[in-house]
Amino acid sequence: DAGVIQSPRHEVTEMGQEVTLRCKPISGHDYLFWYRQTMMRGLELLIYFNNNVPIDDSGMPEDRFSAKMPNASFSTLKIQPSEPRDSAVYFCASSLGTGSLYEQYFGPGTRLTVT
Amino acid sequence: AQTVTQSQPEMSVQEAETVTLSCTYDTSESDYYLFWYKQPPSRQMILVIRQEAYKQQNATENRFSVNFQKAAKSFSLKISDSQLGDAAMYFCAYSHLYNTDKLIFGTGTRLQVFP
Repeated sequence: DAGVIQSPRHEVTEMGQEVTLRCKPISGHDYLFWYRQTMMRGLELLIYFNNNVPIDDSGMPEDRFSAKMPNASFSTLKIQPSEPRDSAVYFCASSLGTGSLYEQYFGPGTRLTVT
Repeated sequence: AQTVTQSQPEMSVQEAETVTLSCTYDTSESDYYLFWYKQPPSRQMILVIRQEAYKQQNATENRFSVNFQKAAKSFSLKISDSQLGDAAMYFCAYSHLYNTDKLIFGTGTRLQVFP
């Protein structure tokens, strides 16, 4: 199993540009999570999906952020327009189901730098 | 709202020695789960150990064990016989018993292991 796949691994963009982060969850996992990691705030849950449907997006910082999951094997997190304070590592994770017995498997993350 | 606090931004330990990482949390719930995740330089998030709040017995996984003090809302991680490969960021996390989809993370502790 390839695990959770994220692309790109690194993204450098200028303020005001649109950024799209991609995630491919582990096959068969019904849950997909997007997290943001910063030095100041640690790891924060942005949004998660169950069977491609957004369940909780209360962690999305503002309207500039949007996430989609058009099918079971692909999700995107888009920032438009990007700002320097969006610089962070963005993680995607997936799990087989709900409950603590179902471990969340994290991807390697995308390091985003907005200049 | 639940919060997780890791008050030690950095810790260091000599190889083969024992180190304890601290974590405190705040919740009004009586049933929940607690986790420790390891994040090595590769940025993958790896589940180290999990504890169910209704279990009095402290969880143990090989060289990793926890000291769970429910009344004090404390959940520390002890690493015995430290190895160079243990060097990483360690995150403490909380999830509600009935909403285990959402993990709330602390800001992390960077552990250095010296030979």
